[in-house]
Amino acid sequence: GAVVSQHPSRVICKSGTSVKIECRSLDFQATTMFWYRQFPKKSLMLMATSNEGSKATYEQGVEKDKFLINHASLTLSTLTVTSAHPEDSSFYICSARDPLRANTEAFFGQGTRLTVV
Amino acid sequence: GENVEQHPSTLSVQEGDSAVIKCTYSDSASNYFPWYKQELGKRPQLIIDIRSNVGEKKDQRIAVTLNKTAKHFSLHITETQPEDSAVYFCAAGDYTGFQKLVFGTGTRLLVSP
Repeated sequence: GAVVSQHPSRVICKSGTSVKIECRSLDFQATTMFWYRQFPKKSLMLMATSNEGSKATYEQGVEKDKFLINHASLTLSTLTVTSAHPEDSSFYICSARDPLRANTEAFFGQGTRLTVV
Repeated sequence: GENVEQHPSTLSVQEGDSAVIKCTYSDSASNYFPWYKQELGKRPQLIIDIRSNVGEKKDQRIAVTLNKTAKHFSLHITETQPEDSAVYFCAAGDYTGFQKLVFGTGTRLLVSP
């Protein structure tokens, strides 16, 4: 079945540095991917919609200069947390749906737990 | 935009009992309603979904009902087992793969032996 892979699964970084998270669709072409942020024991909050070959669409309240999204190919979207601060510590998770399949299930990556120290 | 509300936030049941989780949505254009199960530290996994052209769908112990007029849908789990314990999320969106899904706030289900 369709699989979405996310890397890294865990990352610890120092305040002020940037962190890049990758999201890959392994057996389908994802022209659209979605990035979510999940706080402990909370829901998945959509951050942005990543569009292949064009700019990402950010949800209200999400700083686009803080969370850079690049979707340069049909199978890869990246989220870069720039100038990370401790409050950016969270679980980041991507998802993608294969629009060509009858089943439009949204497949999730395994998530990235970011800790900023 | 779409707004999805989910209740209850926590639900404790005894093994063998039924569990019901309810969601409401605001955007009448939404036509796809999946339910996801998330275990601690893991990715959400789809357990069942329903499209707006049907009112009910069942898969073994799991069923989902949809009332488009009232804009609400529910997850029903019968004969619950301890391994059903997890956080369950409902979502609403468009059937095509290009539109985002908006998630509910989640329900923590605890099934006691």
